[in-house]
Amino acid sequence: QQPVQSPQAVILREGEDAVINCSSSKALYSVHWYRQKHGEAPVFLMILLKGGEQKGHEKISASFNEKKQQSSLYLTASQLSYSGTYFCGTANPPGGNEKLTFGTGTRLTIIP
Amino acid sequence: ETGVTQTPRHLVMGMTNKKSLKCEQHLGHNAMYWYKQSAKKPLELMFVYSLEERVENNSVPSRFSPECPNSSHLFLHLHTLQPEDSALYLCASSLLGSGGYTFGSGTRLTVV
Repeated sequence: QQPVQSPQAVILREGEDAVINCSSSKALYSVHWYRQKHGEAPVFLMILLKGGEQKGHEKISASFNEKKQQSSLYLTASQLSYSGTYFCGTANPPGGNEKLTFGTGTRLTIIP
Repeated sequence: ETGVTQTPRHLVMGMTNKKSLKCEQHLGHNAMYWYKQSAKKPLELMFVYSLEERVENNSVPSRFSPECPNSSHLFLHLHTLQPEDSALYLCASSLLGSGGYTFGSGTRLTVV
């Protein structure tokens, strides 16, 4: 069963912050985050492997709550280039990344 | 270019045709994947090859037949497809374990 992402879509003005959530009904081993722009390949942003881990990538960071089986992606001071559809991909125990299940995506639109 | 190259970018085929999609990576990855992306649906895992051996086949119809002749190349052979098979077919590769996926730009398939 695929993870559930929320919100499904969000529109922000440049400089505003956004949070995208990813929830699983199953125990998680790892969570991946990807961004896909229209007509392009999904691009890997980051992977979170341990419960409670938080990783950052410029102004994009993420957290992983193993207990709650959730991950959140934080985009701060959003830029026009952040527009796209964000997907989380989850891997369940016993681990490994060969069987990622992806969420339905969150479409993020940044307007000037 | 992402490092994963897919050809062709676009394909229109009749229901009685036979065609093949090609994927190539020279990133030194040892796992390769086929995903199907349809409008308003999550990415659907079709096939996984780990160290050139197929390890996952998510109940994909037999009209789709994968082939992985070596760790750098992956094919998806198509025959007797249905209109509902029209979608974007994405190839991805990764290092086994915990690496992120590198996706190709996809083949936009239309079955008429």
